[in-house]
Amino acid sequence: DQQVKQNSPSLSVQEGRISILNCDYTNSMFDYFLWYKKYPAEGPTFLISISSIKDKNEDGRFTVFLNKSAKHLSLHIVPSQPGDSAVYFCAASASISGYSTLTFGKGTMLLVSP
Amino acid sequence: DTGVSQDPRHKITKRGQNVTFRCDPISEHNRLYWYRQTLGQGPEFLTYFQNEAQLEKSRLLSDRFSAERPKGSFSTLEIQRTEQGDSAMYLCASSILHGVETQYFGPGTRLLVL
Repeated sequence: DQQVKQNSPSLSVQEGRISILNCDYTNSMFDYFLWYKKYPAEGPTFLISISSIKDKNEDGRFTVFLNKSAKHLSLHIVPSQPGDSAVYFCAASASISGYSTLTFGKGTMLLVSP
Repeated sequence: DTGVSQDPRHKITKRGQNVTFRCDPISEHNRLYWYRQTLGQGPEFLTYFQNEAQLEKSRLLSDRFSAERPKGSFSTLEIQRTEQGDSAMYLCASSILHGVETQYFGPGTRLLVL
């Protein structure tokens, strides 16, 4: 049973427009959420995170929104740039365990065209 | 570069052989995780160390897999009697708890078992 779901395998956006990547989760114990970006043949690179006590976190062009009641989070990239083209993974952890094993979604491939 | 490093980056082996991978975490990080990623999937948790103690192992970690972290610094992951199903990207991540815990990943070791 997948606890973190990214239902869109791919997304195409034009340069300068907004990219919105979505993620849903089922485990109500998750209280920390992260987005990672991954290029082929490289490890995931941390982008931005949000704690369950917040509903929004912003870092430059990247904003993550969390809707706990819907168990949904989204990553907004504005404006999108061709260099943003990569696979984006949503991940979640539950601090109740005392450490933070991450549960990942399957990823969304973002293609930003010039 | 003070990021997480992994060695080797690529490994091709024949079925039945043993392989060992190394991970060097960010120097002040006391937590170290191993994940495995196969094509089309997000990374999946394998095992977790806090300092030198191995505190959790996933059911994905069969008896053929063993991990160590002597002296709480670098870690090794050994796979004995490799099978074709072991072909994957093996990722190492490290972290330190500062209120919340963000894991930083290495570049991964891509294993191909022929």
